Amino acid sequence: DGGITQSPKYLFRKEGQNVTLSCEQNLNHDAMYWYRQDPGQGLRLIYYSQIVNDFQKGDIAEGYSVSREKKESFPLTVTSAQKNPTAFYLCASSIGTGGQSTDTQYFGPGTRLTVL
Amino acid sequence: GNSVTQMEGPVTLSEEAFLTINCTYTATGYPSLFWYVQYPGEGLQLLLKATKADDKGSNKGFEATYRKETTSFHLEKGSVQVSDSAVYFCALTLYNFNKFYFGSGTKLNVKP
Repeated sequence: DGGITQSPKYLFRKEGQNVTLSCEQNLNHDAMYWYRQDPGQGLRLIYYSQIVNDFQKGDIAEGYSVSREKKESFPLTVTSAQKNPTAFYLCASSIGTGGQSTDTQYFGPGTRLTVL
Repeated sequence: GNSVTQMEGPVTLSEEAFLTINCTYTATGYPSLFWYVQYPGEGLQLLLKATKADDKGSNKGFEATYRKETTSFHLEKGSVQVSDSAVYFCALTLYNFNKFYFGSGTKLNVKP
């Protein structure tokens, strides 16, 4: 089955530690995204990537970093510089090729990060 | 700029009631419009979409019509079920842009 996987589903970290959230897709999509969702809130864009080896900051990139070395993978690192990292993190992907009509974003199941 | 505004929730309805969740947008270009649904503890799932004016997206009894004149994309369902309880997000994206703009979400509670 094609889709997006995120691991782990729940993640706990101590304050001051970096942690990396995994996102993998087998949809052959070019574009991938990371969002943060706080309780009762909407989605805020952290980073996005439209092609391998390229990515752009979203609205709340401070304290986060990403890499896009492979088309199917877009890991997110939450660094110790992120002041309030406890949240639900969602990864998404879309076809994303230039010149196409606007297309749908497909989401993974999310990772809930809790800082202890 | 580009933005989406949704009605605040929670919306509480009895089973079989009629549902409307309002969504309006502002866009610098000609957007495509989407409704996503999120069940507790899960990611977002596409519910329906519309890519041009007067298009009607529909799925699982839900409908929304792209109204360019009122910049709206209201979600409707004629008879809700308990299983429809979730958070609903309205979103837009622009042609060849690949960035999505989401509303803040509207929580729907359906009581038996």
